[in-house]
Amino acid sequence: QKEVEQNSGPLSVPEGAIASLNCTYSDRGSQSFFWYRQYSGKSPELIMSIYSNGDKEDGRFTAQLNKASQYVSLLIRDSQPSDSATYLCAAIPSGGSYIPTFGRGTSLIVHP
Amino acid sequence: GAVVSQHPSRVICKSGTSVKIECRSLDFQATTMFWYRQFPKKSLMLMATSNEGSKATYEQGVEKDKFLINHASLTLSTLTVTSAHPEDSSFYICSAIISGRGLGEQFFGPGTRLTVL
Repeated sequence: QKEVEQNSGPLSVPEGAIASLNCTYSDRGSQSFFWYRQYSGKSPELIMSIYSNGDKEDGRFTAQLNKASQYVSLLIRDSQPSDSATYLCAAIPSGGSYIPTFGRGTSLIVHP
Repeated sequence: GAVVSQHPSRVICKSGTSVKIECRSLDFQATTMFWYRQFPKKSLMLMATSNEGSKATYEQGVEKDKFLINHASLTLSTLTVTSAHPEDSSFYICSAIISGRGLGEQFFGPGTRLTVL
């Protein structure tokens, strides 16, 4: 079974710090990876996508992909209380479908 | 861009009634849409994949006769919960993939909170 694993947390960081969220996946053939943010009671929102090894930066967010280690991470710089949410990692497994496998999510708490 | 709407946002109904939820892609065409269910403090559960013009593909354990999905156009998919019961109370969320883009990014609707009394 193809799986995406995340630590459920909560991960607690002070305001202004870097929050580091991690994700591993089991299907070595996965090519597309996504980070979604979900506020309590709301639906997920796409914040980053990454397809090749290395780093991808977008504002305060950096996604990192290491296919050899089957590892994806999301760094949030200068964390704000408004970043407090559950972060979902998703990977599209090999095989040609667009159905992603989601992790269970990591709860992030940014305290003032 | 890539906005997905859902209607209604919240519905309360009596046990035994049917409820229809609409999912629309507002500024793009979506050959494929997905329907998820999420219970409080639990992870997303994929219910079915909806493809325009063809039958939906349901995940294992999801009753296709209870959760009717119709994807009649490139911008609209509907989920009908038939003969709803209290255990069907949940947060139902749709998502869509932009046709032809080939990247697999999903854009989620705001969700529909269903309460069955």
